[in-house]
Amino acid sequence: GGIITQTPKFLIGQEGQKLTLKCQQNFNHDTMYWYRQDSGKGLRLIYYSITENDLQKGDLSEGYDASREKKSSFSLTVTSAQKNEMAVFLCASTPGQGGQAPLFGEGTRLSVL
Amino acid sequence: QQQVRQSSQSLTVWEGETAILNCSYENSAFDYFPWYQQFPGEGPALLIAIRSVSDKKEDGRFTIFFNKREKNLSLHIKDSQPGDSATYFCAASLNKVVFGTGTRLQVLP
Repeated sequence: GGIITQTPKFLIGQEGQKLTLKCQQNFNHDTMYWYRQDSGKGLRLIYYSITENDLQKGDLSEGYDASREKKSSFSLTVTSAQKNEMAVFLCASTPGQGGQAPLFGEGTRLSVL
Repeated sequence: QQQVRQSSQSLTVWEGETAILNCSYENSAFDYFPWYQQFPGEGPALLIAIRSVSDKKEDGRFTIFFNKREKNLSLHIKDSQPGDSATYFCAASLNKVVFGTGTRLQVLP
């Protein structure tokens, strides 16, 4: 079976810092996603990509950049970390170009001091 | 606007009872409805899913009941176990997936 690996698992940043989160999948899936999870707010889509070098904005893209360097990897950059920000960032993938149920990684937990 | 709504933030049941988690949605064009289970410190895991052409989907102790006319669905967990204690997300999909805010289920022994 395949796996989605997110690194790092925990990330502590300083206010204003640029932070990069990485995701790798070995399912050979076409589409990859980045979601943000906040307590009580569910999962909100930040960016997704339907193929290598493609990038599509989600509902929460402001303050973030993303890059699909190759089919198996998708990275997310927090362009300027906000003080006291705490959230879990989840990477996911699906085999086609959307509509199927995404499979998720275990998440990167961000804390900003 | 919240396209997918889960009516309860939290639910507590006793071991052996049936837990019922409710979900409703706005867009009648949604055609696929996955439910996810998430334990603390882990990512959400796909639990069970239903297509809008069906009104029921069963997998072991987990059953989805779907009402297209009313635009709602529910997840029933029969014979609930303490190990079922987790957060459950309802989702809806057309060409991308929209998630509800989750229901935290606690099963007491």
